[in-house]
Order: sequence, then structure tokens, then C-alpha cells
Amino acid sequence: RKEVEQDPGPFNVPEGATVAFNCTYSNSASQSFFWYRQDCRKEPKLLMSVYSSGNEDGRFTAQLNRASQYISLLIRDSKLSDSATYLCVVTVGGYNKLIFGAGTRLAVHP
Amino acid sequence: NAGVTQTPKFRVLKTGQSMTLLCAQDMNHEYMYWYRQDPGMGLRLIHYSVGEGTTAKGEVPDGYNVSRLKKQNFLLGLESAAPSQTSVYFCATLSSTGPAFFGQGTRLTVV
Repeated sequence: RKEVEQDPGPFNVPEGATVAFNCTYSNSASQSFFWYRQDCRKEPKLLMSVYSSGNEDGRFTAQLNRASQYISLLIRDSKLSDSATYLCVVTVGGYNKLIFGAGTRLAVHP
Repeated sequence: NAGVTQTPKFRVLKTGQSMTLLCAQDMNHEYMYWYRQDPGMGLRLIHYSVGEGTTAKGEVPDGYNVSRLKKQNFLLGLESAAPSQTSVYFCATLSSTGPAFFGQGTRLTVV
């Protein structure tokens, strides 16, 4: 079983749609959680950190459920510019080993 | 403020040649990582370092060596390149409070 698993893509949605990504992690000792965005094999860029209390940044909302070892990302009012691959990332262990999910590709069409 | 800089950005090697990829950071982060990314796959951890003078193996360490002689630099070496090492390589750094920042990547082709 992979340490971090994400929904398989791609997600093809029209502009204005709401889309949700899910991610599960296997190591209960995971400490920090993030969503990154990656465009066309460029470097991943931080989208947002994820906290148990949930956090929101404009159209993006992230949620962490430690009991279920589950992380989510909600994108409201999708834009064409949201088309990218979204990566779920966790840090594990005292040495902060940084583990990535395989990513979920989002394609927003007019 | 450059952040994380990888050199070179592109390279073509012949099978059996050696090379070193350099990751340099100016953010004073303790943790540094090397990943490879292949088409249709996620980022796979090759080696990582939790501080100057320390290194550890990741998910796919075979065929690679690393060194962290200075806190700001993390080197990835290929002693005898193989076509299976054709990939895009990313370096990342992380502070104790996160998140991670990435270099722009090195596109390596081994022929």
C-alpha cells in the first residue's frame, strides 16, 4: 500500500464547477499536510497547508481528518487557470520525510 | 532571494558517464530532498538529508549517491548513468515548520 494515495484522475469539469479531491495517508505518525499544484512537469508549488481545523484561501478549502487519515481539497467556481495536477503531501516521522501522492490531474474546460 | 536553485537545468549523458546535480538553498532550511519524476508517475524520493553531514535513503536510492557537506548544498551523484535514470529531478527544502520549496528541476536524458 502506498503511503499517500489520491483519487485517480483526470477530472474534467466545466468552468464554474465545484470539484473535490481526496487523499488518504497510511502512517498515523504523519505530522504536516499540504496541497501542492504542479503545471506541465514544472516544479510543484505550494497551494495551501492543511490543518485539522480546516482552512480556506479564496476559492480553495482544505480539510484534515486525523482519525480517518484523510485529507481533502475543495475548489469552488473552477477557472481555466486551475487546470493542473494537484499533489497531496505529508511529512512523516521525526526526520520529516516528505512523501507525495501520485497526483490528480484537473482539466477545466470552457 | 533565489530560494532553491538547481544546476544544471538540462543535461544529456551517455550510458556509463557520471555527473553531479547541485541543489543550493539560501533559506537556511535543515531538510533537503532529491526526487525523480517520470511520465505519468508521481515524485519518488531518492535520498534526503536532515542536516549538514547527514543523508538517508528514500524510496528509490539505487544508482545514486548524495552528500551534504554544507548546509546550503545537497549534491546528487550518478556514478554510471543508465537509460533508466532518464527523468526529471527535483530538489526540495523544508524547514522544521514546513512547507517545502522546490527547485525548477533538472531534465536528464541518458542515451
